[in-house]
Amino acid sequence: EADIYQTPRYLVIGTGKKITLECSQTMGHDKMYWYQQDPGMELHLIHYSYGVNSTEKGDLSSESTVSRIRTEHFPLTLESARPSHTSQYLCASSAGTSGERDTQYFGPGTRLTVL
Amino acid sequence: KNQVEQSPQSLIILEGKNCTLQCNYTVSPFSNLRWYKQDTGRGPVSLTIMTFSENTKSNGRYTATLDADTKQSSLHITASQLSDSASYICVVSDRGSTLGRLYFGRGTQLTVWP
Repeated sequence: EADIYQTPRYLVIGTGKKITLECSQTMGHDKMYWYQQDPGMELHLIHYSYGVNSTEKGDLSSESTVSRIRTEHFPLTLESARPSHTSQYLCASSAGTSGERDTQYFGPGTRLTVL
Repeated sequence: KNQVEQSPQSLIILEGKNCTLQCNYTVSPFSNLRWYKQDTGRGPVSLTIMTFSENTKSNGRYTATLDADTKQSSLHITASQLSDSASYICVVSDRGSTLGRLYFGRGTQLTVWP
């Protein structure tokens, strides 16, 4: 079982609310990632970080933002949630970006529903 | 266009039976290929990783094969158990970027019936 945690596990909110999805890992990994996954579809990378104070946008355009102030913590924020943001959000971390070090360890996910 | 295609989309088998899941990819350059298992409502968990020079890798009842020439991989599950019910995701990594970009398949949804 990977030492990577996400809260909340489930969230139902109304349109226009600001939300923050929490992700933390205790493995000391420098690389962290946020993915979005819809049922029956592939994972899409929306944000990643190589280390503290380093964040980049991923392949899928997202209205969310991230921050990396501490190595172990990588929160994702939506300033104004919309129904189109309804999805599963998965956080992951890895020790590196090549070979075995690129094995990503995933959290349990946050299922977000915006009404 | 770099893609990862998995088949079948879904599969139902009886407990104790074997099955094989397929993954075809067009990703180039190729760095490695992983199979992940994703239980419903959970994050994916890595099962195997194979590089260009590896043909077969086993992890308990899971055996993955790789043919880098035809760009095909398979995951064979032996003596299936109810706990094998999950989505199995093929993930291919390239060497073309600093990130070592990952390409995800949509997964094969396996259901094992008693």
